[in-house]
Amino acid sequence: SQQGEEDPQALSIQEGENATMNCSYKTSINNLQWYRQNSGRGLVHLILIRSNEREKHSGRLRVTLDTSKKSSSLLITASRAADTASYFCATDGFVLTGGGNKLTFGTGTQLKVEL
Amino acid sequence: DTEVTQTPKHLVMGMTNKKSLKCEQHMGHRAMYWYKQKAKKPPELMFVYSYEKLSINESVPSRFSPECPNSSLLNLHLHALQPEDSALYLCASSQDWATGLQETQYFGPGTRLLVL
Repeated sequence: SQQGEEDPQALSIQEGENATMNCSYKTSINNLQWYRQNSGRGLVHLILIRSNEREKHSGRLRVTLDTSKKSSSLLITASRAADTASYFCATDGFVLTGGGNKLTFGTGTQLKVEL
Repeated sequence: DTEVTQTPKHLVMGMTNKKSLKCEQHMGHRAMYWYKQKAKKPPELMFVYSYEKLSINESVPSRFSPECPNSSLLNLHLHALQPEDSALYLCASSQDWATGLQETQYFGPGTRLLVL
């Protein structure tokens, strides 16, 4: 079953507006990451927030984490057409004894930024 | 070099064919991953290799056979696939978690597979 559920499933905004996406998860985590995927391409890591952090910024991105509510939000400020993509949260609460880590992705939000 | 490369970009195969997907990274990462992604869905983990050993197999059918010949290469051998196996196959790599460094995964562009 999906660890993360994201909402909205789809979001359409005008360039220059802010976009907010939310992610909820079910079990304890070590950290939560956000990834972007342009249509049919690989995923690009955006930002990682650890379970003991509440907020993190990177450029136009702001991520919050509320572990008591098991939820996170990604805010993209002053959006651009180039931000059009799918955005996935991914939780990492699973330590692999052999090394590596197991990410579980949320359902994703499709963002469309129109000119 | 912060890139993960995958070949081929596109692959069409029949259900009786045998083909292989290749993935390569030169970032010194010791964990490598295969994911399967259907349209409008999140990636689903298939396999994890750590230090060239299979660390996890997410109950993937045996018609998918992974191989890690060395720390930079990861292959996925395909045999007798079904049309429902058509998807985007993504490779990723990350540094060894055991060192406490970097949980970020770096993804390749994927191979779009169509099984006829």
